[in-house]
Amino acid sequence: AQTIHQWPVAEIKAVGSPLSLGCTIKGKSSPNLYWYWQATGGTLQQLFYSITVGQVESVVQLNLSASRPKDDQFILSTEKLLLSHSGFYLCAWSLLDQDTQYFGPGTRLLVL
Amino acid sequence: GDSVTQKEGLVTLTEGLPVMLNCTYQTIYSNAFLFWYVHYLNESPRLLLKSSTDNKRTEHQGFHATLHKSSSSFHLQKSSAQLSDSALYYCALSDGATGGNNKLTFGQGTVLSVIP
Repeated sequence: AQTIHQWPVAEIKAVGSPLSLGCTIKGKSSPNLYWYWQATGGTLQQLFYSITVGQVESVVQLNLSASRPKDDQFILSTEKLLLSHSGFYLCAWSLLDQDTQYFGPGTRLLVL
Repeated sequence: GDSVTQKEGLVTLTEGLPVMLNCTYQTIYSNAFLFWYVHYLNESPRLLLKSSTDNKRTEHQGFHATLHKSSSSFHLQKSSAQLSDSALYYCALSDGATGGNNKLTFGQGTVLSVIP
């Protein structure tokens, strides 16, 4: 069975510090991968998507970057956190366009 | 661009009463997919229902919804609320217009709270 794992579960970071959030999908080959973000009180917004290793497309500019170093791994990062980066980050995968997306458990980030 | 509106932020119901969570959407694309995701506390959001067929009722786990393209609506309903239905419900749209990106546009979400 396929599983999706995100790390860390939660993080408290200082403004200006670097960040790296990870997502791993096991049990599926060549999935489409997505990062979503939800600010406190806001709705989920797609940040990035990737349809293959090494290819990542940005959807919303938030001074974040993403990479897909392996078929089953998706990384979200920044060198300098802003207060506005606080929120809930979800990773998701799907096999086909317009197919169901399956979400990970998410990472809660608080930037102080 | 695409948008999804869920007007109710919180719906509180007594167990046994019918559930209706509203969802309307805007897109210029005719082959949009509509989804309802449910997010229980401390779990991942998961798919509840999806549809792309106009005027066809879709059912799962006691919930149902019908996509009405004429009114751009995809309301979620259940005949009798249960305590275990308490969760955050998201309506989402995929317009299918951008090749390769299965981008979901989410509504604000509706918290359903079922009380005894």
